Amino acid sequence: QKEVEQDPGPLSVPEGAIVSLNCTYSNSAFQYFMWYRQYSRKGPELLMYTYSSGNKEDGRFTAQVDKSSKYISLFIRDSQPSDSATYLCAMKLGSARQLTFGSGTQLTVLP
Amino acid sequence: GAVVSQHPSWVICKSGTSVKIECRSLDFQATTMFWYRQFPKQSLMLMATSNEGSKATYEQGVEKDKFLINHASLTLSTLTVTSAHPEDSSFYICSARGAGGQYLEQYFGPGTRLTVT
Repeated sequence: QKEVEQDPGPLSVPEGAIVSLNCTYSNSAFQYFMWYRQYSRKGPELLMYTYSSGNKEDGRFTAQVDKSSKYISLFIRDSQPSDSATYLCAMKLGSARQLTFGSGTQLTVLP
Repeated sequence: GAVVSQHPSWVICKSGTSVKIECRSLDFQATTMFWYRQFPKQSLMLMATSNEGSKATYEQGVEKDKFLINHASLTLSTLTVTSAHPEDSSFYICSARGAGGQYLEQYFGPGTRLTVT
């Protein structure tokens, strides 16, 4: 079993839809949770990170962490064609420098 | 802030030759740099972690004599693929992490696409 599981998609939604991207993990010691966006042939870009459980909002993006269920989510409201990319979840232990990545979900927002 | 550059962005080389990829943190000091490899439609695979002035720590299965990593300064790390073969063709991405503040997280470079013919 992988430490971090992420549905690879692809996921296709119409413009304006609410998108929900999810990851599950097995290591309960993970404390930091990140979401990266990666456009085709580019490096990943850090979107959001959260520490421990709870929600964090940044514009149209909301990150949610449920440590009891070992489940994290990224919600995108009013999705735009420019949101079309691969979204990678990542997490790390408190003292660690290395990240453990999910496999990425490919999202296409249709105009 | 937190800009990481890579050079070159794309390189083609012949089998048996060596290729050097540079990774630079442009506006912060990167105490740790990471090198990843990514195959099409797959996630990032960590190859090695390097701290400035120290030898790199390689992940299991990564040949350290083939993938030479040098982190000579707080703003520059290099990955040299020695005696490259077609199976080394991939997308190589570096990331950098600072010592504190907002630079605690990893910031990624734009990647280098290597094609070995």
